[in-house]
Amino acid sequence: SQTIHQWPATLVQPVGSPLSLECTVEGTSNPNLYWYRQAAGRGLQLLFYSVGIGQISSEVPQNLSASRPQDRQFILSSKKLLLSDSGFYLCACGGPSGSSYEQYFGPGTRLTVT
Amino acid sequence: QKEVEQDPGPLSVPEGAIVSLNCTYSNSAFQYFMWYRQYSRKGPELLMYTYSSGNKEDGRFTAQVDKSSKYISLFIRDSQPSDSATYLCAMSADSWGKLQFGAGTQVVVTP
Repeated sequence: SQTIHQWPATLVQPVGSPLSLECTVEGTSNPNLYWYRQAAGRGLQLLFYSVGIGQISSEVPQNLSASRPQDRQFILSSKKLLLSDSGFYLCACGGPSGSSYEQYFGPGTRLTVT
Repeated sequence: QKEVEQDPGPLSVPEGAIVSLNCTYSNSAFQYFMWYRQYSRKGPELLMYTYSSGNKEDGRFTAQVDKSSKYISLFIRDSQPSDSATYLCAMSADSWGKLQFGAGTQVVVTP
């Protein structure tokens, strides 16, 4: 089964600073990968998804971007953080045999922008 | 109007009781329906998924989908304190995995 790693676990960054969150996946190949954000007390909002290396689709316009340099690596970035970027960022991987509705999540990164 | 509505709770039940959770949705194109459990400050964990309408049972968990009413349910039998968590419903209209989540229902099972 898949294992999803995310780091760092927590991050405190000042407004205007850059951001780089990394997600790596083990136990599968050519997975669909997803970045979600969860605001306090709210459900998950899909930010980006990727069906392959270099293929990124954005769901919500914002100052974040995503990249997939390798099959099992997914990176979330920002050049200049806003206060509204605070939240719990989760990376997810689609299930086996293309069952992407069956997603498995990493442990998340809790980002606080001050 | 949100595409997926879910009562945030909290829902408090005594140990051993049945927990009943539900979500309503507006998009008739949704075909895949999932339930996730999320413990505090952790990533969500997939509990069950159902394709189209019908019931699915897995141990103490039963998921029901009624597409005609745009309503899905999750039942947890013989609830335990370890079931205390936030339960999120999610749904998708396609196989790309673009999930729409409910806000989550916080469940507290008291010993």
